[in-house]
Amino acid sequence: SYELTQPPSVSVSPGQTASITCSGDKLGDKYACWYQQKPGQSPVLVIYQDTKRPSGIPERFSGSNSGNTATLTISGTQAMDEAVYYCQAWDSSAVVFGGGTKLTVL
Amino acid sequence: QVQLVESGGGVVQPGRSLRLSCAASGFTFSSYAMHWVRQAPGKGLEWVALIAYDGNNKYYADSVKGRFAISRDNSKNTLYLQMNSLRADDTAVYYCARSGGSEILAWGQGTLVTVSS
Repeated sequence: SYELTQPPSVSVSPGQTASITCSGDKLGDKYACWYQQKPGQSPVLVIYQDTKRPSGIPERFSGSNSGNTATLTISGTQAMDEAVYYCQAWDSSAVVFGGGTKLTVL
Repeated sequence: QVQLVESGGGVVQPGRSLRLSCAASGFTFSSYAMHWVRQAPGKGLEWVALIAYDGNNKYYADSVKGRFAISRDNSKNTLYLQMNSLRADDTAVYYCARSGGSEILAWGQGTLVTVSS
């Protein structure tokens, strides 16, 4: 079955740029999206179709997808961005999630 | 605005059954495919099942295939998940979610299912 691999954790200083990767076989041939989940809350879509931001998501969130890796980039990271981020793609009529990356802003 | 409200969770013994419901509002329910996604305590997201907008196509994760059944009633704007032969590793928060194509556009608040004797 298809797998998406994310680093368990990423740390960033406030105001700096955070990058979270998501790796999967030929992931660049599929659409990737990203969700943010804060403790005790439901996930929120922050990037879809590789690079698009839903309404209400700040411009500091951006995405890319090429080859075997999709990347979520948060520019000018703020304390409120501290959360777990999940990538997601489709494979063979099944939704696949990455294992999640805990972003710590310190 | 879009609202998805799950219900039906609780504590159930291994091997027993449970049916979850999700009441949808704020959008044209019959136009959208719908998902169930679960999250075990302290763990990541796991996709469970998907049903097409008209109910004609259904897809399942291997971990639940043959035990769980997704269905919908478009006249009632309601999504269901029938869970049979429950196991301890089915313990999770179950989210109802609206599909947007290749992504999930909206999530409910989740309902907790605990499988324990």
